[in-house]
Amino acid sequence: GIQVEQSPPDLILQEGANSTLRCNFSDSVNNLQWFHQNPWGQLINLFYIPSGTKQNGRLSATTVATERYSLLYISSSQTTDSGVYFCAVDRENGNKLVFGAGTILRVKS
Amino acid sequence: EPEVTQTPSHQVTQMGQEVILRCVPISNHLYFYWYRQILGQKVEFLVSFYNNEISEKSEIFDDQFSVERPDGSNFTLKIRSTKLEDSAMYFCASARQAIEAFFGQGTRLTVV
Repeated sequence: GIQVEQSPPDLILQEGANSTLRCNFSDSVNNLQWFHQNPWGQLINLFYIPSGTKQNGRLSATTVATERYSLLYISSSQTTDSGVYFCAVDRENGNKLVFGAGTILRVKS
Repeated sequence: EPEVTQTPSHQVTQMGQEVILRCVPISNHLYFYWYRQILGQKVEFLVSFYNNEISEKSEIFDDQFSVERPDGSNFTLKIRSTKLEDSAMYFCASARQAIEAFFGQGTRLTVV
């Protein structure tokens, strides 16, 4: 099946810093989503981005489908950005999402 | 903003007991899913449901598991005889089309 690798596995930032999280996938995909799992365990949709670039406030994402990777940018990080960031992909339009292992982000004040 | 809601938020059950996890998907969504996340591990697909039937299921989704949409608004996951290894966070998700799934807040199941 499709493999999803996220890097880095852990990241510690000082409040106000910027960061880039990466997601590599092993095959072509029709769906790619980024999620933030907060300390209470909730999975929060950040982006649906099988290709192209999107921005939402301090967050933006870019997927280069031909090169099989996606990047999540966090600018001016805040302590509330802490948590785990997951990339998930689906090869077909069925939402059988395959999740990466996640990037654990800790933002210190 | 519409959201997927799950109840209960936390369920503790004894090994061998049956549990039913409940979900109310977003109202105009047609595709429904269950995922689970064992503590410290990846989120894993369990089952997808469309047009009142299972459209796909993973190897994890064995005969101990079943899903049902008993009415126009609820979507349930039943585990018939829980095992210790069923302890996990269970997420319900829904989608209007078979793209961009929206997840609920999860039910943490603890089997003792």
